[in-house]
Amino acid sequence: AQSVTQPDIHITVSEGASLELRCNYSYGATPYLFWYVQSPGQGLQLLLKYFSGDTLVQGIKGFEAEFKRSQSSFNLRKPSVHWSDAAEYFCAVGSNNAGNMLTFGGGTRLMVKP
Amino acid sequence: EPEVTQTPSHQVTQMGQEVILRCVPISNHLYFYWYRQILGQKVEFLVSFYNNEISEKSEIFDDQFSVERPDGSNFTLKIRSTKLEDSAMYFCASSVTWDAVFGQGTRLTVV
Repeated sequence: AQSVTQPDIHITVSEGASLELRCNYSYGATPYLFWYVQSPGQGLQLLLKYFSGDTLVQGIKGFEAEFKRSQSSFNLRKPSVHWSDAAEYFCAVGSNNAGNMLTFGGGTRLMVKP
Repeated sequence: EPEVTQTPSHQVTQMGQEVILRCVPISNHLYFYWYRQILGQKVEFLVSFYNNEISEKSEIFDDQFSVERPDGSNFTLKIRSTKLEDSAMYFCASSVTWDAVFGQGTRLTVV
């Protein structure tokens, strides 16, 4: 069965600093990988996705993620964090054998210091 | 920008009562989903719906749960006899293929 681990429950960074959120997955085939963001009281918004091809993918709001098959990782990065990036971030893996089902990690809550 | 709309935003119900959570997916989307998030826990898949039938469901989605697309625009989740452990945020989502767009959720509180 597929699974996703986000090792960091909380991360605090200073505004303007770089950010990396970790995500490790377990899946038997080539994974479909996603990052979603959830602001307080809001739904989940898709930041970016990886299906195939270039392992470095660009998303919205200046985020990028790199797929590393050898490490079973799909870490999310941003070179300079803004206060508005404070939110909860979820990594997910999709199974194309199961009705497009997404399996989510536990989430990482990002706090941004002024 | 098209969005998925869920109603109500918050529902309180007595244990044992039936609840229906409503969703209006994006009109040209083909796949419809329900997920839930118990407070402090992961977002969990419940069910996916395609071509007017369930395409996949999780172990959580037992006989107490059902989904329906009654009129071609709404997508509903029914819980027949709610339990305390059904208290959670329920998210509806829809997609053309994989880019699922999520609604803002319905917080269900069972008392």
